[in-house]
Amino acid sequence: EVQLVESGGGLVQPGRSLKLSCAASGFTFSNYGMHWIRQAPTKGLEWVASISPSGGSTYYRDSVKGRFTISRDNAKSTLYLQMDSLRSEDTATYYCATVLGAPFDYWGQGVMVTVSS
Amino acid sequence: DIQMTQSPPSLSASLGETVSIECRASEDIYSNLAWYQQKSGKSPQLLIYYASSLQDGVPSRFSGSGSGTQYSLKISGMQPEDEGVYYCLQGSKYPPFTFGSGTKLEIK
Repeated sequence: EVQLVESGGGLVQPGRSLKLSCAASGFTFSNYGMHWIRQAPTKGLEWVASISPSGGSTYYRDSVKGRFTISRDNAKSTLYLQMDSLRSEDTATYYCATVLGAPFDYWGQGVMVTVSS
Repeated sequence: DIQMTQSPPSLSASLGETVSIECRASEDIYSNLAWYQQKSGKSPQLLIYYASSLQDGVPSRFSGSGSGTQYSLKISGMQPEDEGVYYCLQGSKYPPFTFGSGTKLEIK
């Protein structure tokens, strides 16, 4: 059974950092691209970042470029999102997701990040 | 970036009623369109991919159609468990992947 379990969320002050993790199981992690998608409270879905299976290619939405870093550890089957210089507009539930057979066919349960003083 | 315009923003339907949700892309996305359902407090779930392919385990009352820039999701016979928010996603030209703004579907 495919499982994606996010962790690392919480309350953080503006300008500070936070690192999210997504532990994957039930599939060969190193064979698939991975993605982070977020949802601000009462708002819609917003793609944040993607990483290739090897980790050699990464992609970001413009609003997080230079502040967020997506990475992966294939030996640990874990995806990460390092978030620096956090802003109030980064407050959201962050989901990790993958594409095993169809676009974003598996999602984690999500982890809440609140940026507030 | 490709923009996705989704309509209507909200919809109320009676049990057994057929409902449709539309998504229009700002340019041709060659059927690279997926639909998701998100129930309250839950993660989104894939319903339809490549415009009309039904994801495994999704009831057959859900169907998708469209091509070019215009796509739709149809629910043939609204059920109580179909309440939620529905999103479209374009996966034709990325990054960025872009979602529609969502349609909130409720039972009348």
